[in-house]
Amino acid sequence: DTGVSQDPRHKITKRGQNVTFRCDPISEHNRLYWYRQTLGQGPEFLTYFQNEAQLEKSRLLSDRFSAERPKGSFSTLEIQRTEQGDSAMYLCASSLVGGDRPNQPQHFGDGTRLSIL
Amino acid sequence: GQNIDQPTEMTATEGAIVQINCTYQTSGFNGLFWYQQHAGEAPTFLSYNVLDGLEEKGRFSSFLSRSKGYSYLLLKELQMKDSASYLCAVSNTGGFKTIFGAGTRLFVKA
Repeated sequence: DTGVSQDPRHKITKRGQNVTFRCDPISEHNRLYWYRQTLGQGPEFLTYFQNEAQLEKSRLLSDRFSAERPKGSFSTLEIQRTEQGDSAMYLCASSLVGGDRPNQPQHFGDGTRLSIL
Repeated sequence: GQNIDQPTEMTATEGAIVQINCTYQTSGFNGLFWYQQHAGEAPTFLSYNVLDGLEEKGRFSSFLSRSKGYSYLLLKELQMKDSASYLCAVSNTGGFKTIFGAGTRLFVKA
């Protein structure tokens, strides 16, 4: 178990640019979540996948945000035409659920800190 | 609507006991989690309650009352390393979506 890994750890970009983040979950986990966290707040749900299917997307997520998990393993989160309000820590988490394990704790990666200039 | 409330900050003394409260109003309920988050680090799982009552795990205990929409995290024999944010999180029906509170920053002083 190597844990959840995210890349890059930090990203600084100019407003209007596109950015893409990657998350590699724990290998046997079938659920993958994306969150956004700003200073002094808890993680804010963005979207989640069950294997390769994106089953829910927050209404807070604008059309500039898109996430994929093409083979049910790693996931990418893309933000297009970044705005200063997008500056935050983007956290990925994974869990293994199903059958007699309907709800399991999520394991978080260390996050990608995005700064928009 | 969905809302989770917990105190913003708490201070306690090394060796003491502290109780961090959490109240919630969510659409559906499928369990409540407590996570610990040190500054600049990822949240780490502490405890899970789905039925009413107390769950104990070492120095940490968590209590749930579903009828009152209330939980608390109890930390005993506080250590300096317990200084962190403690996040209360509620999972909705089906366990698909987890809503986090803003967290309680705990300061442990000598």
